Amino acid sequence: SQQGEEDPQALSIQEGENATMNCSYKTSINNLQWYRQNSGRGLVHLILIRSNEREKHSGRLRVTLDTSKKSSSLLITASRAADTASYFCATATPDSWGKLQFGAGTQVVVTP
Amino acid sequence: NAGVTQTPKFQVLKTGQSMTLQCAQDMNHEYMSWYRQDPGMGLRLIHYSVGAGITDQGEVPNGYNVSRSTTEDFPLRLLSAAPSQTSVYFCASSTGSYEKLFFGSGTQLSVL
Repeated sequence: SQQGEEDPQALSIQEGENATMNCSYKTSINNLQWYRQNSGRGLVHLILIRSNEREKHSGRLRVTLDTSKKSSSLLITASRAADTASYFCATATPDSWGKLQFGAGTQVVVTP
Repeated sequence: NAGVTQTPKFQVLKTGQSMTLQCAQDMNHEYMSWYRQDPGMGLRLIHYSVGAGITDQGEVPNGYNVSRSTTEDFPLRLLSAAPSQTSVYFCASSTGSYEKLFFGSGTQLSVL
């Protein structure tokens, strides 16, 4: 069974709008990571947030982590057509030797 | 730096054939892993390695074999290909367990 599950499965927005996607997980984590995958390409790491952190920023990306609710969110502000991609959350549990478990992803389409 | 290099990019096999997917990284990363990506299921871990000479199974190891004789290379062997192994395969590396992954561009494998 998957540790992390993203919501929504798909998201369609216009350029300039913000995009928010959520990730829920089942067991305690060491860290949670977000990745982006453009069509036909490998995954690219976006942000890593550790279990003792609540929020991290990277450019137009903002990630929050609520360990009490076992959830995380990724916000993309002022979206661009180039942000069209699938976004995945991945979790590493303390006893997993760092093995990452990925969710099924959120497919984001940004139209000009 | 080339990062993580996977070969081949595409492969078609007949049921029962064997083959090796190659993965090499030039970042001196200790941790390497193989994932498969199927539609709607995210990425699932096949095998991973925390250093040369050390490998372990992930979530879906059956039908696959790995070895890690050098830090740079982590080949994945399909022993007797089955249609259920039709998938996109990604190799990834990182500086250590629990750290961010660097992904290769993937190998699209079809088993007929």
